[in-house]
Amino acid sequence: EAEVAQSPRYKITEKSQAVAFWCDPISGHATLYWYRQILGQGPELLVQFQDESVVDDSQLPKDRFSAERLKGVDSTLKIQPAELGDSAMYLCASSFGLAGVSYNEQFFGPGTRLTVL
Amino acid sequence: GQQVMQIPQYQHVQEGEDFTTYCNSSTTLSNIQWYKQRPGGHPVFLIQLVKSGEVKKQKRLTFQFGEAKKNSSLHITATQTTDVGTYFCAPLRNYQLIWGAGTKLIIKP
Repeated sequence: EAEVAQSPRYKITEKSQAVAFWCDPISGHATLYWYRQILGQGPELLVQFQDESVVDDSQLPKDRFSAERLKGVDSTLKIQPAELGDSAMYLCASSFGLAGVSYNEQFFGPGTRLTVL
Repeated sequence: GQQVMQIPQYQHVQEGEDFTTYCNSSTTLSNIQWYKQRPGGHPVFLIQLVKSGEVKKQKRLTFQFGEAKKNSSLHITATQTTDVGTYFCAPLRNYQLIWGAGTKLIIKP
């Protein structure tokens, strides 16, 4: 069964360092999402792509976070510099539907657990 | 903006007892999805509700969408240890899911 892949699964870094997370969505899924989930809370959308274009990044702290999906397939989320408050689970999800045209279920990857010391 | 509240935040049940979580909105919803997240896991899609008054069943799980499309519920009959986790309702707004804090189902030992 096709799955969303993410790496690394765990990342420990010191504050002010740079970190990067990678996501490979299910083949054929046009829409890709990056979420941040703090323990005990629901996922918070950071950025949404349709193919290689950003559909929504209104909740992305752009002074330190960046995201790209250059070829419309896999995606990278970067934080520079990392802060203590960035410690969280970073989840990637993909869906077949095109934003604004149809809507389908989201398939989530296993996530990257980030700890900032 | 659209406000969604999910209650209760936690529910402790004995294995075999029923479980219900409610999702309430201040505005009419076009679409609502439900997800389950096991401890240490990632959210997994359960169901999507679109029609007013819709009721869908998946084995011991029953999902309802209110007649006014402002609320939804998930009911689990005779809970089992495999049901442990957090259940999220996620209404759709502008083609994005709005996630609340979920309801955590805990089975008493």
